[in-house]
Amino acid sequence: AQTVTQSQPEMSVQEAETVTLSCTYDTSENNYYLFWYKQPPSRQMILVIRQEAYKQQNATENRFSVNFQKAAKSFSLKISDSQLGDTAMYFCAFMKGYNAGNMLTFGGGTRLMVKP
Amino acid sequence: NAGVTQTPKFQVLKTGQSMTLQCAQDMNHEYMSWYRQDPGMGLRLIHYSVGAGITDQGEVPNGYNVSRSTTEDFPLRLLSAAPSQTSVYFCASSYLLGAGNTIYFGEGSWLTVV
Repeated sequence: AQTVTQSQPEMSVQEAETVTLSCTYDTSENNYYLFWYKQPPSRQMILVIRQEAYKQQNATENRFSVNFQKAAKSFSLKISDSQLGDTAMYFCAFMKGYNAGNMLTFGGGTRLMVKP
Repeated sequence: NAGVTQTPKFQVLKTGQSMTLQCAQDMNHEYMSWYRQDPGMGLRLIHYSVGAGITDQGEVPNGYNVSRSTTEDFPLRLLSAAPSQTSVYFCASSYLLGAGNTIYFGEGSWLTVV
């Protein structure tokens, strides 16, 4: 079974600064996906970024980027130029296999507050 | 294109009652799944389906039943509600992710068991 650990229950950052959220996972699989999801107070699940394990290049989406360290089983999320709208819960998630559906294993989440 | 639709959005049940949470998608996705999210926690997989007529258990299946008679619908049945099943329930659907497809989540169903 896979496990996903987010060691930072809460974090805060000043608007326009950079913050990094940590995620580690444990698996014996070689092929898998990793995701970061944002969950605002509305509880909507919003995909922030995803990474295929076979890709060495770290994924980026505008202000969001990841540091994927496969050997260390680490998958951190960096948010640059933080905005008030980034305030939310952030979940790291794992899914084994490349030709798979949507069976995700989630971490416990990090609550991020962006301060003006 | 409505995406993933969950009903009801809010429900209060008494202990021992049964009910069905509905999930429907109009994107012809093969894969559908149900998650629950307890306060302060991440989502946990209850049941999933890889196609019509095929279902399997996830991490926390006890107390829940599912069926998949059509591609579009994946209802979740609570057989005899317990206070421990108070949670927010999410349905998700997708194609195979290998082609760069996305997982779509419903907006959640808030269930309180008293």
